[in-house]
Amino acid sequence: DIQMTQSPSSLSASVGDRVTITCRASQDIGNYLTWYQQKPGKVPKLLIFATSTLQSGVPSRFRGSGSGTDFTLTISSLQPEDVATYYCQKYNSAPLTFGPGTKVDV
Amino acid sequence: QVQIVQSGPEVKEPGASVKLSCKASAYTFTKYLIHWVRQAPGQGLEWMGWINGGNSDTRYSQTFQGRVTITRDTSASTAYMELSSLRYEDTAVYYCASGLSGQQLVLGYWGQGALVTVSS
Repeated sequence: DIQMTQSPSSLSASVGDRVTITCRASQDIGNYLTWYQQKPGKVPKLLIFATSTLQSGVPSRFRGSGSGTDFTLTISSLQPEDVATYYCQKYNSAPLTFGPGTKVDV
Repeated sequence: QVQIVQSGPEVKEPGASVKLSCKASAYTFTKYLIHWVRQAPGQGLEWMGWINGGNSDTRYSQTFQGRVTITRDTSASTAYMELSSLRYEDTAVYYCASGLSGQQLVLGYWGQGALVTVSS
């Protein structure tokens, strides 16, 4: 099975900072990569699918990029409401493996 | 707006089974996949499997193969996930989520989650 890794596992940044999270797949997954945001105590929420397509209602400060095995989630200007754990997930085929998550603090 | 509503919390003894429900509304149930994902306390997300709301085809994670069964009742627009031979480490919040229109393997709409506690 394809393994997903994320780095860093956690980070702390200031409001207004640019934040970058990396997700790596152990094999080529094309652009079949999603990002989910899970705020503390809340249900996960879809942010981005197909590597770079923002789900409806997601602020434009979130951006996804990459292809193949290396992917990036960028928050261009971190806001207090972005405190959450971010998970990548590959969906080229089953199993739909999640990365271990990156916890973002402000 | 798609709504996914799950059944409530459960407390089960080791070795028992639990069956959770997941009711979808405001969309055509038979056109979507329903996925199940779990999250142990303080841990990450773990995909368990899916069911095709239309033809009832299922696919399971090898991690749970043999212990998990996902079914659906189209008349009730409801999917079910049964996990058997429960262990203490199965204590987790279990989520169901529907696929996104046109992207069925993307978990677009999530239920509120159901806490399953395995305790003697």
